[in-house]
Amino acid sequence: QITLRESGPTLVKATQTLTLTCTFSGFSLTTSGMGVAWIRQPPGKALEWLALIYWDGDKRYSPSLKNRLSITKDTSKDQVVLTMTNMDPVDTATYFCAHNFYRGELRNWFDPWGQGTLVTVSS
Amino acid sequence: QSVLTQPPSVSGAPGQRVTISCTGSSSSIGAGYDVHWYQQLPGTAPKLLIYGNSNRPSGVPDRFSGSKSGTSASLAITGLQAEDEADYYCQSFDRSLWTYVFGTGTKLTVL
Repeated sequence: QITLRESGPTLVKATQTLTLTCTFSGFSLTTSGMGVAWIRQPPGKALEWLALIYWDGDKRYSPSLKNRLSITKDTSKDQVVLTMTNMDPVDTATYFCAHNFYRGELRNWFDPWGQGTLVTVSS
Repeated sequence: QSVLTQPPSVSGAPGQRVTISCTGSSSSIGAGYDVHWYQQLPGTAPKLLIYGNSNRPSGVPDRFSGSKSGTSASLAITGLQAEDEADYYCQSFDRSLWTYVFGTGTKLTVL
């Protein structure tokens, strides 16, 4: 059974850097095809894909946020870390991590998801 | 940014059938990228409901079905139940943006 759990600060100030950790179990990021994605959801709004990292170190980023994002993995701890620089109140959202098995962009989906962590950015 | 458009809300009485549309473009759904659907119950994380346009993961009732045609996709729910009241999102990929994209979301109300 695959499970994921997000952790990190619940409150950050504008201009600061956010660091979130996704701790997972039930799979290994050393196994071919495995990946972990980050997705966020502002309060009352839609989902937005942020980043994705694969077993082989391949990293994908949302083009609109690419300059602010960094995703890394620690296979010894079964963790994936997302950092987002220069936080702004509009970045207030629930941040989810989710498991992905690479099937190519034609047919890639995210399952399962962590419970999410709400991050509030104060001005 | 959402480049997949869904109706903001749909509703139906228990036992009825409802459909939720997801409209993309020639660079997303129309380009051959699969559509996947997620159900988000209030206060919870999204849960995969349909993958690869029309496939149900184990444990998802066959009351839920998906289809895709051209630049659009649809989620159908038959035999509506109170527990189906949730937000529903479609997801695909857009090759012009080169990013995974989600729909605008649809709130289902069971009357």
